[in-house]
Amino acid sequence: DAGITQSPRHKVTETGTPVTLRCHQTENHRYMYWYRQDPGHGLRLIHYSYGVKDTDKGEVSDGYSVSRSKTEDFLLTLESATSSQTSVYFCAISAQQETQYFGPGTRLLVL
Amino acid sequence: DAKTTQPNSMESNEEEPVHLPCNHSTISGTDYIHWYRQLPSQGPEYVIHGLTSNVNNRMASLAIAEDRKSSTLILHRATLRDAAVYYCILRRPIYGGSQGNLIFGKGTKLSVKP
Repeated sequence: DAGITQSPRHKVTETGTPVTLRCHQTENHRYMYWYRQDPGHGLRLIHYSYGVKDTDKGEVSDGYSVSRSKTEDFLLTLESATSSQTSVYFCAISAQQETQYFGPGTRLLVL
Repeated sequence: DAKTTQPNSMESNEEEPVHLPCNHSTISGTDYIHWYRQLPSQGPEYVIHGLTSNVNNRMASLAIAEDRKSSTLILHRATLRDAAVYYCILRRPIYGGSQGNLIFGKGTKLSVKP
């Protein structure tokens, strides 16, 4: 299994609260991605990174920001959480834009 | 990105082969065909990918039609652990710093009966 961890694995928070999710890899892969998965929508890309400090928006980036100060860590921040951001969040990594390896996911509930 | 069409669900019996179809009639010449699966409460998992020729690995086989407008993922002997949602995804190589994300459809939910 690829060395990807996500933290926290579960989180409950209140509307308006900032939330940061962390993705950590031990594979030294260049590319990292954040997806969200909701019933009826499948997985959708939020943001991705193609190197340290190099990030770009995905399909559903509104309300989210990311940072990557080290190869191994990719942080996803919800500046002010809303109930529509209740979801399961998956991090993925890839070496050459081919096969992506996914983390175990973070379940976020915004009340 | 070109779209794929898969059946919503399929059933199989344990230890029998399973053929999961995928139609991609608008595929371009450079699109790779990727298959991922997602077991309950887990992240997606890579299964196999190919361009033109049939491909085999320890998990499955991928049969690609000669015109590339369809493909079939073959699980040679289904086990209970193979019960998952299977996603067929077209992936166009993107070079440089551009995004290379996967676009997931709704996939096929495979049920395996003992």
